[in-house]
Amino acid sequence: QSALTQPASVSGSPGQSITISCTGTSSDVGAYNYVSWYQQHPGKAPKLMIYDVSNRPSGVSNRFSGSKSGNTASLTISGLQAEDGADYYCTSYTSSSPYVFGTGTKVTVL
Amino acid sequence: QVQLQESGPGLVKPSETLSLTCTVSGGSISSHYWSWIRQPPGKGLEWIGYFYYSGSINYNPSLKSRVTISADTSKNQFSLKLRSVTAADTAVYYCASDTMGGFDYWGQGTLVTVSS
Repeated sequence: QSALTQPASVSGSPGQSITISCTGTSSDVGAYNYVSWYQQHPGKAPKLMIYDVSNRPSGVSNRFSGSKSGNTASLTISGLQAEDGADYYCTSYTSSSPYVFGTGTKVTVL
Repeated sequence: QVQLQESGPGLVKPSETLSLTCTVSGGSISSHYWSWIRQPPGKGLEWIGYFYYSGSINYNPSLKSRVTISADTSKNQFSLKLRSVTAADTAVYYCASDTMGGFDYWGQGTLVTVSS
């Protein structure tokens, strides 16, 4: 099972919106509405930001939103803030291995 | 609030077995999914496997031949054993729960280095 494909890096200025893509196949992202997104700051454990494609856990800012179209899922961060600078990972349920992670995206706030 | 804590040796010799335990507090492993996930230094996340409260266990196919996950519900713990380790298995190992469709609670992670 290959990792889901994410851009290596995305950047934006404070207040702007950015979108991170997560591309899989018809056996994972395209087949199930079980895509989740994680934020990871250096030296810290990942934090769940989005689950089941577009749901936010309690306590996660509504500046974070998720969507999916075909084999590609997306995480959008609106009103970018300095503390949003981190690594972001997607994951999906798959037909061959219950979970597969994305390659990860480094978000830089300019 | 569910809390998870990994424990085990931080150094393992090549060809030996890596053993870690995750102790869960504030929740019961007799419900939901409980996973092991690892992250090599400077690299991305890799799902290793999970224990499901019904007793079902599932592994990443790429690691399946070397991995065993087990659980002790009386101690509210679940464990990971990874056999025949090499330097490529050096990573921060996390335990995590999936109670809502994503990995919502994580341990702090423990670095395991494979070296002689």
